[in-house]
Amino acid sequence: GDSVTQMEGPVTLSEEAFLTINCTYTATGYPSLFWYVQYPGEGLQLLLKATKADDKGSNKGFEATYRKETTSFHLEKGSVQVSDSAVYFCALSVRSGGSNYKLTFGKGTLLTVNP
Amino acid sequence: DTGVSQNPRHKITKRGQNVTFRCDPISEHNRLYWYRQTLGQGPEFLTYFQNEAQLEKSRLLSDRFSAERPKGSFSTLEIQRTEQGDSAMYLCASSLSITGNTIYFGEGSWLTVV
Repeated sequence: GDSVTQMEGPVTLSEEAFLTINCTYTATGYPSLFWYVQYPGEGLQLLLKATKADDKGSNKGFEATYRKETTSFHLEKGSVQVSDSAVYFCALSVRSGGSNYKLTFGKGTLLTVNP
Repeated sequence: DTGVSQNPRHKITKRGQNVTFRCDPISEHNRLYWYRQTLGQGPEFLTYFQNEAQLEKSRLLSDRFSAERPKGSFSTLEIQRTEQGDSAMYLCASSLSITGNTIYFGEGSWLTVV
């Protein structure tokens, strides 16, 4: 079946540090890949996505590149801020049941950024 | 705010009681999803609607759970005879078929069964 594996947290960084959160996947078809962010007590917000190999998704200084050869979609940011503290979820979707693009999530990685 | 709206945001109920959550998707979105998230885990798919038709249900959705989307707009998720294991956040999401697989989530409804 489909699955997503993320690096385990928590990850604690100082402000302006470089961030990498690793994500690898297995999928039965050709997936689209996503990063979602969840702030405390809130739902999920789409951070970025990529739909085919070698695509780079980017948003708010975050980037991730779809690497089909390594089945990876690692999240990076060059300089984190305190406001980036949240839980980050890697996810994939493969078309199932007709038109259903069902998302499969990793377990999430808690990021804490200290001033 | 034109995002996905869910209510109530928090619900505490006694074991054995029934609860119902409501979701209002983004207005033109024809696809609607329910997910469940427990502490320390990623969300897990429960069910999916296209317009008013419920097209897929997860094995996680026991017969105590029922979801409806009667007019293809808002949706309800009812849990009957709640159990402590039902305590979780229930997330609603929606998408538009022409944009494919980009799914937008609401803020979730927290359920605590005591």
